[in-house]
Amino acid sequence: DVKVTQSSRYLVKRTGEKVFLECVQDMDHENMFWYRQDPGLGLRLIYFSYDVKMKEKGDIPEGYSVSREKKERFSLILESASTNQTSMYLCASKMQGSGANVLTFGAGSRLTVL
Amino acid sequence: AQKVTQAQTEISVVEKEDVTLDCVYETRDTTYYLFWYKQPPSGELVFLIRRNSFDEQNEISGRYSWNFQKSTSSFNFTITASQVVDSAVYFCALSEAYNSNYQLIWGAGTKLIIKP
Repeated sequence: DVKVTQSSRYLVKRTGEKVFLECVQDMDHENMFWYRQDPGLGLRLIYFSYDVKMKEKGDIPEGYSVSREKKERFSLILESASTNQTSMYLCASKMQGSGANVLTFGAGSRLTVL
Repeated sequence: AQKVTQAQTEISVVEKEDVTLDCVYETRDTTYYLFWYKQPPSGELVFLIRRNSFDEQNEISGRYSWNFQKSTSSFNFTITASQVVDSAVYFCALSEAYNSNYQLIWGAGTKLIIKP
């Protein structure tokens, strides 16, 4: 069964801590995405990567960075967590090349910053 | 500008009722794709359906059906004889063929509550 796996389902961190959210996919997908989900706001794109070591900012990249050293792994980094980054974070991947391609999502990581 | 509107924030119905979730989109492109995803309480979004802009045929899959109307820029989703397991947040999304890297434009989601 193909999967996108997010390393942590629930995290609690303190303001100012550095936070790593890990995402691994086993489908050999070129494209990977990090979204943030907040009630009433839908999914907002933080960053995406269309290939290894390639990344592009999404709609809300401020306060975040990403790393994609290997094709299967896409990490989201909060350099200095703040309370307004408390949210659900969703990782997704898809094949490159067509707007028809379907996203496969991980189960999400719910981050609370105190 | 591209936009997807799901005007219904939350819908609550009793089991076995039919329910329709609305999705209205805006796009400048003639070639685009529309999607519905389901997010159950477990959190993982699951793909339900994809439609391309050249195919206005309605689709039925068991108790689920989708009504795509380009004239009104709508792609509505109906659940017939709803069940408690249908309780979830449902997202409508738009992908434009000429959008760099085919980014999805998401609606805000509709939370569907099915009461037993």
